[in-house]
Amino acid sequence: DVKVTQSSRYLVKRTGEKVFLECVQDMDHENMFWYRQDPGLGLRLIYFSYDVKMKEKGDIPEGYSVSREKKERFSLILESASTNQTSMYLCASSAARRAANYGYTFGSGTRLTVV
Amino acid sequence: DAKTTQPPSMDCAEGRAANLPCNHSTISGNEYVYWYRQIHSQGPQYIIHGLKNNETNEMASLIITEDRKSCTLILPHATLRDTAVYYCIVPSGTYKYIFGTGTRLKVLA
Repeated sequence: DVKVTQSSRYLVKRTGEKVFLECVQDMDHENMFWYRQDPGLGLRLIYFSYDVKMKEKGDIPEGYSVSREKKERFSLILESASTNQTSMYLCASSAARRAANYGYTFGSGTRLTVV
Repeated sequence: DAKTTQPPSMDCAEGRAANLPCNHSTISGNEYVYWYRQIHSQGPQYIIHGLKNNETNEMASLIITEDRKSCTLILPHATLRDTAVYYCIVPSGTYKYIFGTGTRLKVLA
């Protein structure tokens, strides 16, 4: 089975801290994605990457950055965490650059609380 | 951006078929429609996908209209464990999908 592993299930950080959320996939997928999920708002795309060292902004990139140094790993970085970044963060990967014919595999999510 | 429209919530009696509709009028000819579900506090789980023909797997059936502007996910014998939020998604641009808020299905004992 394809696995997308997020490093932490639950995380509590302080306001102003730099936070790293890690995601690793084991099926040589081209594309990787970071979403956040908030009640009533569904899943919103933060950033995605279609190749190593490539990144594209999603719908809500403000306050976040990403890093993809290796194909299997995609990191989401909160440069200075704020309370409005308290959310469930979901990582996903897909098999090919063209999304039309390939769906996502999701990780289990990281519930981040910023206090 | 491509968009799907789903009812916000539905109820279904245990053991009965659950039929979840989705409108996706902007889908292009070679784009698949995918269904996922999310049980509370977990990552979304793949259910099924289709292009033009109806599809069936061990979890569900997918009925796609001839004009491809809408589809219906069918859970043939819903159980309490099928209570979840169901997302119908289509590609948005080359690389990604846009998720809406899905349909919250409640299976009633």
